[in-house]
Formats: sequence, C-alpha cells, structure tokens
Amino acid sequence: QKEVEQDPGPLSVPEGAIVSLNCTYSNSAFQYFMWYRQYSRKGPELLMYTYSSGNKEDGRFTAQVDKSSKYISLFIRDSQPSDSATYLCAMSVTSYDKVIFGPGTSLSVIP
Amino acid sequence: DGGITQSPKYLFRKEGQNVTLSCEQNLNHDAMYWYRQDPGQGLRLIYYSQIVNDFQKGDIAEGYSVSREKKESFPLTVTSAQKNPTAFYLCASSITSGSGANVLTFGAGSRLTVL
Repeated sequence: QKEVEQDPGPLSVPEGAIVSLNCTYSNSAFQYFMWYRQYSRKGPELLMYTYSSGNKEDGRFTAQVDKSSKYISLFIRDSQPSDSATYLCAMSVTSYDKVIFGPGTSLSVIP
Repeated sequence: DGGITQSPKYLFRKEGQNVTLSCEQNLNHDAMYWYRQDPGQGLRLIYYSQIVNDFQKGDIAEGYSVSREKKESFPLTVTSAQKNPTAFYLCASSITSGSGANVLTFGAGSRLTVL
C-alpha cells in the first residue's frame, strides 16, 4: 500500500462547477497537509496547507482534513478554466520532515 | 525576483553518459531537494540537503549523485548507473525554521530524455 493515494483522474468538469479532490493516507503520524497545483511542464506551486484536523479556506479553495479517517480534501468553488492543472496532495509528520506526495489528480475545467 | 532556476529545461542523453542538472536558488533557503516525477507516480525524493556540505539519500538515490558546496547551489548528476533516467526532474528548496509546514518552493523542472 502506498503511503499517500490519490485518484489520478482525469477529472473533467464544466466551468462554474464545484470540484472535490481527495487523498487518503496510511501513516497516522502525518500532521501537516498541503495541496500543490502543477501546470503542464511547470513545477508545482503551493496552494495551501493545514495543520492537523479541520478546515481552511482561501478564496475559492477550501482544504479539509479528517485525521480519524485519514482523508483529506480540496474543494474548488466556481471553477475556472485557469484551474485546469494537476493537483498534488502532500503531507509530513513534522515541520522539518521529508514531504510525501500523492501521484496527483489531473483536472480539466471546460468553458 | 527570488526563486529557483533549473537548467537546462530539456536535455537529451545517450546511454552510458553522465549528465548534470543545475539548480540555483536566491531565496536564502537552508534546505534543497531533488525529486523525480514520472506519470502516475507522483514526486519521488532522490536526495536532499539541509546544510552546506551535507546531504542525505532519499527514496530513489541509486544512480544519482549530488553536491552542496554553496548554499545557493545543489546540482544533480544522473550517472550511467541509473537504469531508467528518462523523467522530469524537479529541484525544490525550503526554510527549515521548525515552525509551520515544510513548504517547498519548486523550480520549473528539467526534462531528461535518454536516446
């Protein structure tokens, strides 16, 4: 079993839809949870991160962590064509520990 | 502008050749990392360095080598011992402050193709 699992997609939605992206993980010691966005042929860039359980909102993006289920989600409201990218979840045990990445979910938002 | 510069963007290598990928950062970050990205496998850690003149193997270090002689620079050499080197290579850096998440800043990547 991989440490972090993520549905690779591709996921295709119409513009304006609410998108839900999810990851599951096996290591209950993970405390820091991150979401990165990667455009084609570019390096990933951090969208947001959360510590432990709970929700965090930043504009159209909301990150949720459910440590009891070992499940994290990223919601995108009012999706735009510019949101078309691969979304990588990532997590670590401590703030200086190595970061483990999921394989990424490819998202296309159709105008 | 602060950031990470990787070069070259595209590189072709013949079998049996060593190649070196450059990574330079002007963010004054302590830690630097090399990841390899293959379709469907996510990012896998090759090597990382938290201070100058020190580095550790990641999960897939075989066939690769690195050096960290300067804080700003962390070059990766893909040796002929690496059996399947065709991939997208990403360099990253982070501040190791001990508080907050270990947020990585990535370069734009180098795509290596073995002919």
